[in-house]
Amino acid sequence: DSGVTQTPKHLITATGQRVTLRCSPRSGDLSVYWYQQSLDQGLQFLIQYYNGEERAKGNILERFSAQQFPDLHSELNLSSLELGDSALYFCASSQGQIDGYTFGSGTRLTVV
Amino acid sequence: QKEVEQDPGPLSVPEGAIVSLNCTYSNSAFQYFMWYRQYSRKGPELLMYTYSSGNKEDGRFTAQVDKSSKYISLFIRDSQPSDSATYLCAMSASNAGNMLTFGGGTRLMVKP
Repeated sequence: DSGVTQTPKHLITATGQRVTLRCSPRSGDLSVYWYQQSLDQGLQFLIQYYNGEERAKGNILERFSAQQFPDLHSELNLSSLELGDSALYFCASSQGQIDGYTFGSGTRLTVV
Repeated sequence: QKEVEQDPGPLSVPEGAIVSLNCTYSNSAFQYFMWYRQYSRKGPELLMYTYSSGNKEDGRFTAQVDKSSKYISLFIRDSQPSDSATYLCAMSASNAGNMLTFGGGTRLMVKP
């Protein structure tokens, strides 16, 4: 167990729907990162939050949004889902050091 | 062309072999270099971290960075079946917060 908890582990939903993925960071970690892993694009950085504030943004679609709550857990919201959004979504957390990244086990999203 | 290139493999070796995994990159701003190991259906876990150029050794693992050639390597000595996994290189520029740019991963199979 890495200490980073992601729920749900699996999600199957239809095109056009909206889903929310949840991440609880490791105890003491203030930074949360979201990554998408697909077969053709590999692991792609989506967004980073630090202590409740957005810190960095990657190739995140406008249909996707995220937030980090006062208790430091984070949610990634995916809306108007398309077949191409099917992927593994990983959350990672750190205290700030580049070598302190810890990944969760991911949420496998399947859009049908 | 992707910023970080990595041969997808699969790379199949007999138990006890020395394994060499490599990545090339194009962004000269990258200063922090990491290797992650990812088992099937799991999140990536950090194996090695190197800042700037040079070598780093940790047990059976050695990481090398050659910034002049924009080339990084991971060597695994006395490979074991339990080393069978996908190996991902990751990099970060000093001014990019903690956002990581990943290679596509190399799948390694160590046969008993």
